[in-house]
Amino acid sequence: DQQVKQNSPSLSVQEGRISILNCDYTNSMFDYFLWYKKYPAEGPTFLISISSIKDKNEDGRFTVFLNKSAKHLSLHIVPSQPGDSAVYFCAASARRRFGNEKLTFGTGTRLTIIP
Amino acid sequence: GAVVSQHPSWVICKSGTSVKIECRSLDFQATTMFWYRQFPKQSLMLMATSNEGSKATYEQGVEKDKFLINHASLTLSTLTVTSAHPEDSSFYICSARNLATRDEQYFGPGTRLTVT
Repeated sequence: DQQVKQNSPSLSVQEGRISILNCDYTNSMFDYFLWYKKYPAEGPTFLISISSIKDKNEDGRFTVFLNKSAKHLSLHIVPSQPGDSAVYFCAASARRRFGNEKLTFGTGTRLTIIP
Repeated sequence: GAVVSQHPSWVICKSGTSVKIECRSLDFQATTMFWYRQFPKQSLMLMATSNEGSKATYEQGVEKDKFLINHASLTLSTLTVTSAHPEDSSFYICSARNLATRDEQYFGPGTRLTVT
């Protein structure tokens, strides 16, 4: 039962353009969402998070949007840079209301930025 | 920034032997550490959560007698894979979090285990 889904296994974007990565979830108990970036043979690096009380959070080139009614979140990277090429995982937890620190990860999207 | 290290980064062992993987938080106190495993082209799956000084909480389907977790200090947690089998071959990643500072989980670089 995949509670967090990233339906696009890969995405290619031209350098300088916007990269949009999508994530859907099924568990309505999730109230805190995160995006991680991962290079091969390395651990994930935290990028940005959003609480369910918000619908947008921005940090530099990264913006996360949350649509609770659709159980959907997206990560926008603008402008995309070659160093952004990596696998991106979205993750969810029931941290706010239930204090549950457990992260449930999606299957990842491999982003390739084309110079 | 918060740094988490893992040792070894890769290990090859024979079936039936045990392997210990260390996870250290280098510049912060980790009240909670998490152990994940990742199969090729799949997601990270949480195996267990450990709080310093107490027993680990294992996820459903994870054998606690096979994957021994010890979190003896605020900077060190260990995962021991006992009586390893080839199907235990995987990428094991730990993460650490300081609940006092409410920071996010910081991940180690992972350990590639190959059981022959």
